[in-house]
Amino acid sequence: KAGVTQTPRYLIKTRGQQVTLSCSPISGHRSVSWYQQTPGQGLQFLFEYFSETQRNKGNFPGRFSGRQFSNSRSEMNVSTLELGDSALYLCASSLEQAVRDNEQFFGPGTRLTVL
Amino acid sequence: AQKVTQAQTEISVVEKEDVTLDCVYETRDTTYYLFWYKQPPSGELVFLIRRNSFDEQNEISGRYSWNFQKSTSSFNFTITASQVVDSAVYFCALSDALVDTGRRALTFGSGTRLQVQP
Repeated sequence: KAGVTQTPRYLIKTRGQQVTLSCSPISGHRSVSWYQQTPGQGLQFLFEYFSETQRNKGNFPGRFSGRQFSNSRSEMNVSTLELGDSALYLCASSLEQAVRDNEQFFGPGTRLTVL
Repeated sequence: AQKVTQAQTEISVVEKEDVTLDCVYETRDTTYYLFWYKQPPSGELVFLIRRNSFDEQNEISGRYSWNFQKSTSSFNFTITASQVVDSAVYFCALSDALVDTGRRALTFGSGTRLQVQP
C-alpha cells in the first residue's frame, strides 16, 4: 500500500505570494490532518479534514486554509505569505477521524521557504 | 490546557549504550492517548507507539521500551543497546480533547535529538 504523498517536496516563495500544498492520503483513509513544523514553535496542529469537512482547527490565522476532495485528497493554502511561514508542512492520514484516536500516518512533508 | 514537555533537547550516546528519553505531559482529561514518533533526517514522522490513559502497563518492542506512569504524568522511552540508525529526533505527543471544541488533536513536545556515535 502506498504511503501518504505530499507535493511538492520543496517550494520557494516570496513574501506576499500565496501557496497551495497537496496531500494524498493512504488509500482508504478518510481523514487528513495538517501540521506545521518550525524550529521555533515545533510541531503544531493546523487542521483536520474528514469527509470533505473541516473537523478540527488549530490556532492559526485565517491566511491558512484547506479543503478536502471527494477522493480524500487534501490541499492546504497559505495566502499573503510571511517570512515566519517558512516551515516543514506535514500531512497525516488516518482511517477515521483523528478524534477517534486512530493512528495517523505521516507524509514526508513539504518544505516551504519564504524569502 | 494540554502540554507536553521534553526537557532533553539533545542527547549524544555511543553505540550500544542504553538511553532514556523523557516525556512529561499535562492534561485535564481523564481519557487521553500518548504517542512517540521518530523523525529521521528525511523528515517523515514514524509512529512508534500509542498508549491510552487507562493502560499503565509498560511495553517492550525489541530494543524499545516505554514506561508510562500516571502518578508522575510521564511516558518515558528507552532504547536498549542503541545503534547509529536510531539517530533521529524523537517526539512525544498527547491526544486529548481540545478545550473549545471537545475534539482531539495531537499536541507535540519539542522533541529530543538523539545522536548515536559509532
